[in-house]
Amino acid sequence: DSGVTQTPKHLITATGQRVTLRCSPRSGDLSVYWYQQSLDQGLQFLIQYYNGEERAKGNILERFSAQQFPDLHSELNLSSLELGDSALYFCASSVGNVGGADTQYFGPGTRLTVL
Amino acid sequence: AQKITQTQPGMFVQEKEAVTLDCTYDTSDPSYGLFWYKQPSSGEMIFLIYQGSYDQQNATEGRYSLNFQKARKSANLVISASQLGDSAMYFCAMREGSGGSNYKLTFGKGTLLTVNP
Repeated sequence: DSGVTQTPKHLITATGQRVTLRCSPRSGDLSVYWYQQSLDQGLQFLIQYYNGEERAKGNILERFSAQQFPDLHSELNLSSLELGDSALYFCASSVGNVGGADTQYFGPGTRLTVL
Repeated sequence: AQKITQTQPGMFVQEKEAVTLDCTYDTSDPSYGLFWYKQPSSGEMIFLIYQGSYDQQNATEGRYSLNFQKARKSANLVISASQLGDSAMYFCAMREGSGGSNYKLTFGKGTLLTVNP
């Protein structure tokens, strides 16, 4: 158990819908990262938050947004869902300010299926 | 150009033998970190080992060691005394830079390791 929690574990929804994925980082970690894993794209970085502020953006679609709350949990919002958004979404957390050896620990993931 | 290349889509190893999973990387940043993660069929991503670009010695964590050859830009994972539970997908990842707090990881496509009894 990495100490990172993600809910829900599975999510099945229809095209055009909106969903929210939730992540709670390990105790003491200030950075939260979101990754998408799909068969065709592999593991792709989406976005990072550090202590409530957005720090980096990767290949995140405009239909997707995220935020990190004062208690450091994070939510990833996916809207106007398309079939191609079906994937495993990971949240990872790290301390975020310890220099080069900062290690990201991953949650169990949320498997999103868009029908 | 791919930043992380894992050339072995699949590998087979006999139980109790050692196996090496290859990883090459591409970066012009002098400061970077290399990570290996394991993803069993259950789906979670498990951190295995880390190597910093300035580390003088190869990293080791239990049965895992990292064969770091900086000039060749390779960071191969060596698993000694393979166990059936080692059967999983293995990902090599890189983080570039050491400043600030942006530590996004770039992943390779992975190697599926199967340990045979």
